[in-house]
Amino acid sequence: DTGVSQDPRHKITKRGQNVTFRCDPISEHNRLYWYRQTLGQGPEFLTYFQNEAQLEKSRLLSDRFSAERPKGSFSTLEIQRTEQGDSAMYLCASSSDGSSSYNSPLHFGNGTRLTVT
Amino acid sequence: AQSVTQPDIHITVSEGASLELRCNYSYGATPYLFWYVQSPGQGLQLLLKYFSGDTLVQGIKGFEAEFKRSQSSFNLRKPSVHWSDAAEYFCAVEGGATNKLIFGTGTLLAVQP
Repeated sequence: DTGVSQDPRHKITKRGQNVTFRCDPISEHNRLYWYRQTLGQGPEFLTYFQNEAQLEKSRLLSDRFSAERPKGSFSTLEIQRTEQGDSAMYLCASSSDGSSSYNSPLHFGNGTRLTVT
Repeated sequence: AQSVTQPDIHITVSEGASLELRCNYSYGATPYLFWYVQSPGQGLQLLLKYFSGDTLVQGIKGFEAEFKRSQSSFNLRKPSVHWSDAAEYFCAVEGGATNKLIFGTGTLLAVQP
């Protein structure tokens, strides 16, 4: 168990550019979550995958955001035409199947910190 | 809708002193409740969790939390704080069929020598 891995750790981009982040979950975990954390706030749910199926998306996930998990393993989160308001820490979490996060706790990666200048 | 409130943004305690971090939740049924800790630049680590049973829950690193249904609270406690406990602490409740977590805004803990 090597934990949830996220790449890159930091990304600085200019407004209007596209960025893509990668998340490698714990290998046997079917569930994958993306969260966004801005300064002074708790993590906010963005989207959820069960294997390769994206089953829930938050209203926070505007049409500039897209997430994929093509083979049910790693996931990517792309932000198009970045805005300064997109600056945040983007966290990925994974868990095994279970009736609740109590039985199947979420394991978080160290996040990708995005700065849009 | 489920929500979590952490009333204290910053707390400073002296090393060796006791600690209590407050968390209030809003949930229609019996909630799944969690406390996570986040060190600077790191992801979140699960400290403890509660669903049912004994209302006093023990976690890692010497932390415990007490569930009080009458007060809709799930406060985190530690009898004696260590300098390494300085971090941000998040209370969370599970919301929805996807098992996603809804987090509070966090409490930043500073530990004075």
